[in-house]
Amino acid sequence: GIQVEQSPPDLILQEGANSTLRCNFSDSVNNLQWFHQNPWGQLINLFYIPSGTKQNGRLSATTVATERYSLLYISSSQTTDSGVYFCAGNFGNEKLTFGTGTRLTIIP
Amino acid sequence: ETGVTQSPTHLIKTRGQQVTLRCSSQSGHNTVSWYQQALGQGPQFIFQYYREEENGRGNFPPRFSGLQFPNYSSELNVNALELDDSALYLCASGARPMNTEAFFGQGTRLTVV
Repeated sequence: GIQVEQSPPDLILQEGANSTLRCNFSDSVNNLQWFHQNPWGQLINLFYIPSGTKQNGRLSATTVATERYSLLYISSSQTTDSGVYFCAGNFGNEKLTFGTGTRLTIIP
Repeated sequence: ETGVTQSPTHLIKTRGQQVTLRCSSQSGHNTVSWYQQALGQGPQFIFQYYREEENGRGNFPPRFSGLQFPNYSSELNVNALELDDSALYLCASGARPMNTEAFFGQGTRLTVV
């Protein structure tokens, strides 16, 4: 089956640091999304990025579909950035296949 | 534009009981998908509904069933609850026929005791 792997699984950073989260997928992707899951469980949309690069404030994302990976960059981390980050892709069917997640902890 | 809303937010049921979870889609969306997220894992696809019919199903038994209504809202029904059904249930809405960005509700946390 299709594999979506994220790295690192856990990341602990000091406030103000920058970070890069990676998402590798095993097949051609139709669309790819990045989510932040808050402590209450809601998945917050960060980026819808089948290919190319997008930026939104301190966050940016790049998907290189031909090489089957996507990156999420977080600059100048804040404590509110803590949580679990998921990438999820649509691989030619009706479902989103989620990655394994990266748990980010920002220390004040 | 209203977002995706789910009810209830929390629920406790006894093993063997039945449960119904509800989801209202985002305005302008015509598909609803349901996901189960066990503790410490990523969400797993249960099924999707489009035009009031099931349109794809993940690896879940038939006791997981659903409905989509003409206003695109949806229900997830689980019969004969098992302890392993304890999880966060997430609803996502989107638009077809094009695969587009999916938006999720806040989830229903189900505990089976």
